[in-house]
Amino acid sequence: SQQGEEDPQALSIQEGENATMNCSYKTSINNLQWYRQNSGRGLVHLILIRSNEREKHSGRLRVTLDTSKKSSSLLITASRAADTASYFCATDGDDYKLSFGAGTTVTVRA
Amino acid sequence: DTGVSQNPRHKITKRGQNVTFRCDPISEHNRLYWYRQTLGQGPEFLTYFQNEAQLEKSRLLSDRFSAERPKGSFSTLEIQRTEQGDSAMYLCASSLVLGQGTGKVENIQYFGAGTRLSVL
Repeated sequence: SQQGEEDPQALSIQEGENATMNCSYKTSINNLQWYRQNSGRGLVHLILIRSNEREKHSGRLRVTLDTSKKSSSLLITASRAADTASYFCATDGDDYKLSFGAGTTVTVRA
Repeated sequence: DTGVSQNPRHKITKRGQNVTFRCDPISEHNRLYWYRQTLGQGPEFLTYFQNEAQLEKSRLLSDRFSAERPKGSFSTLEIQRTEQGDSAMYLCASSLVLGQGTGKVENIQYFGAGTRLSVL
């Protein structure tokens, strides 16, 4: 079963705009990660946020985590065509596997 | 470091045939994972190894699925008597996990490009 649920399922934005997607999960976690997947390819790790952190930045990415609401958000600022991909949150409650949501598909229009 | 390698990239087979996929992880990684991904969904965990030991296999979809990692390096995933419902992308990932216990493990996984299976 997949623990995380991303919202929205799909997002279309203009180049230069910001993209925000949300993830909700059900059980307690140690860490939450975000991954990107380009069409037909494997996943690429973007950022990890620990359960005792509230916000984290990496380049144009900003991740927030609210453990009381069991939710996280990923913000991509100043989007580029190369950001077109599917984005997945993955919760890390056990130490051996990740539980992924169904993902948000982001399309950046030139 | 050439990343995680999966072969073949695509496999087309007839229903009832056996198929085997191979995964070569990043060489210094001690953990190797197999996932299945269907269209429009995120990866679904199947099984994982720490070195050569298979520590979790209850999520394998049926007894037709099996995985090995004989020398703690590459791994194979075999599906016997394939069914049309097995058609999916099979992803392999590896990670270096140090330490034990909840809350101390940062399990950042590196994925291969996947093997896309089509069962006719």
